[in-house]
Amino acid sequence: DAGVIQSPRHEVTEMGQEVTLRCKPISGHDYLFWYRQTMMRGLELLIYFNNNVPIDDSGMPEDRFSAKMPNASFSTLKIQPSEPRDSAVYFCASSLRGYTFGSGTRLTVV
Amino acid sequence: EDKVVQSPLSLVVHEGDTVTLNCSYEVTNFRSLLWYKQEKKAPTFLFMLTSSGIEKKSGRLSSILDKKELFSILNITATQTGDSAVYLCAVDNTNAGKSTFGDGTTLTVKP
Repeated sequence: DAGVIQSPRHEVTEMGQEVTLRCKPISGHDYLFWYRQTMMRGLELLIYFNNNVPIDDSGMPEDRFSAKMPNASFSTLKIQPSEPRDSAVYFCASSLRGYTFGSGTRLTVV
Repeated sequence: EDKVVQSPLSLVVHEGDTVTLNCSYEVTNFRSLLWYKQEKKAPTFLFMLTSSGIEKKSGRLSSILDKKELFSILNITATQTGDSAVYLCAVDNTNAGKSTFGDGTTLTVKP
């Protein structure tokens, strides 16, 4: 079992550019979550899906953020346009009972 | 709104000490409470607690839940420098299908 797979591991981009983060959940897990972690705000839930359907996106900070889950094995989180304050580690997690987190994507927007 | 409060926010101890980390919660339709350890990378799962008074144990780590008083503790005995990490507590709500996380306790174990 490869666990939850996120890509890229690191991303450095210029302000205004589009950023796409990718996640492959564990097969059979019916929930998928996108989190953002910063020193200031800790772990924040952005959006989560159940059986590929978005359930709660109230944590998405702005319209610049969007997430999709076209099938049970893939999800994306897109930021367009990116801003320096979006710099954070973005975690994807999948769940059946208890979460399994991916290794995260460290995003730096300069 | 579901709420999880962890204490202390940070803790510095020496190797061999025993530590107790606290997690109190307010949640509608409680399903389970989970503890995670986060070092430099992603959180890793430690325990899931669903019933009061039943201790879960893994090596030097143990945890117990009190559903009447709405709290859980995580104990680490004979601490080692490798225990240095952020310990996260989260509660699951049966309706929301998601966990609410606390801010974590940063544990530093000095040689």
